[in-house]
Amino acid sequence: QLQLQESGPGLVKPSETLSLTCTVSGGSISSSSSYWGWIRQPPGKGLEWIGSISYSWSTYYNPSLKSRLTISVDTSKNQFSLKLSSVTAADTAVYYCARHYADFWSDPKWFEPWGQGTLVTVSS
Amino acid sequence: EIVMTQSPATLSVSPGERATLSCRASQSVSSNLAWYQQKPGQPPRLLIYGASTRATGIPPRFSGSGSGTEFTLTISSLQSEDFAVYYCQQYNTWPGETFGQGTKVEIK
Repeated sequence: QLQLQESGPGLVKPSETLSLTCTVSGGSISSSSSYWGWIRQPPGKGLEWIGSISYSWSTYYNPSLKSRLTISVDTSKNQFSLKLSSVTAADTAVYYCARHYADFWSDPKWFEPWGQGTLVTVSS
Repeated sequence: EIVMTQSPATLSVSPGERATLSCRASQSVSSNLAWYQQKPGQPPRLLIYGASTRATGIPPRFSGSGSGTEFTLTISSLQSEDFAVYYCQQYNTWPGETFGQGTKVEIK
């Protein structure tokens, strides 16, 4: 059974870089047709797609975050990562990683399964 | 960007009653719509994809319908474990999936 788990600092200072890692277990991150995504949820608010990385390691970013965002993969560790630079209080949120499901060769569609999420607070 | 609007923001329902949640897209998303359930402190759980197909392990009291711009999630007989927040998500535009703002189903 595929499982995902986020890890990283829970507190980041304004203007610094937020870095999170998602560890995938129960399956290979290199599976053909798999995409892997990041979604965030500010406290008490809704969900926002941050970005995704494909099985061919192409990256796709939310335009509102693109200039500050990098998503990468480490196949040797079965992990993918998120880096968001120049953070402000508006970036305070629970950050989730998830498999971004795609049929063979199709565009990705829904998110399942999800990690448990990790709260990142931006504060000095 | 396709904007997804959910209504109502909060739905008060008694256990055993039927709940009907709506999701509207700012432009057609065909049947490329998913529904999620989120309980406090938990990640979202996929309920429905393709507008009407239940995900693995989802009980039949959950059903989805609609296409184009208007979608509905129906919970036929609310159980205590169904009180949660529900989100819709369109995946018709890639990249650029967007979520609705959520509907909270609370106990009446």
